[in-house]
Amino acid sequence: EDQVTQSPEALRLQEGESSSLNCSYTVSGLRGLFWYRQDPGKGPEFLFTLYSAGEEKEKERLKATLTKKESFLHITAPKPEDSATYLCAVQAEETSGSRLTFGEGTQLTVNP
Amino acid sequence: DTGVSQDPRHKITKRGQNVTFRCDPISEHNRLYWYRQTLGQGPEFLTYFQNEAQLEKSRLLSDRFSAERPKGSFSTLEIQRTEQGDSAMYLCASSIQGYTDTQYFGPGTRLTVL
Repeated sequence: EDQVTQSPEALRLQEGESSSLNCSYTVSGLRGLFWYRQDPGKGPEFLFTLYSAGEEKEKERLKATLTKKESFLHITAPKPEDSATYLCAVQAEETSGSRLTFGEGTQLTVNP
Repeated sequence: DTGVSQDPRHKITKRGQNVTFRCDPISEHNRLYWYRQTLGQGPEFLTYFQNEAQLEKSRLLSDRFSAERPKGSFSTLEIQRTEQGDSAMYLCASSIQGYTDTQYFGPGTRLTVL
């Protein structure tokens, strides 16, 4: 069974204080690893898809990386508007269906 | 591209009542998914459609839950004889069939069962 574990559960940073969120996963053949941002009361907003170990993607202050066992979301010089819950999800090979298996998320708070 | 839309955004019902939610996917997206999310948890897969065919259902999905996508466009999720444990956010997502298969989510329907 596919599993995703995110750490820490919650993270509080000062504005400008860089840090990383972790996503550890086990999956029967990885098709893709996804990062989403979710604001309270809203649906998840797509950020990145990573497909193979060594791949990196960047968007503004966010950078996602992937190894064979985990992914990191690096946040450089965060701002208060980066406060949200960040969700990691995996998708297994096509023969296993198209479902996403999510972790429980990391709740990030950035204080001004 | 107007994004995935869901209706209603909020629903309050009494235990034992039936409820139905609607999801309109991004136009030209042929795959549509339903997830459920409770407070402090990540979304949990319920079911998905490719065009009008329901291809996968979670083993956790009670037989009180049924979903349809009659013409391969919008979808409905019905919960019969609601229970307090059904209280959650119900999320819909859509994607285009392909290797990438990136799923884009709607705003969700918040269900409260009293």
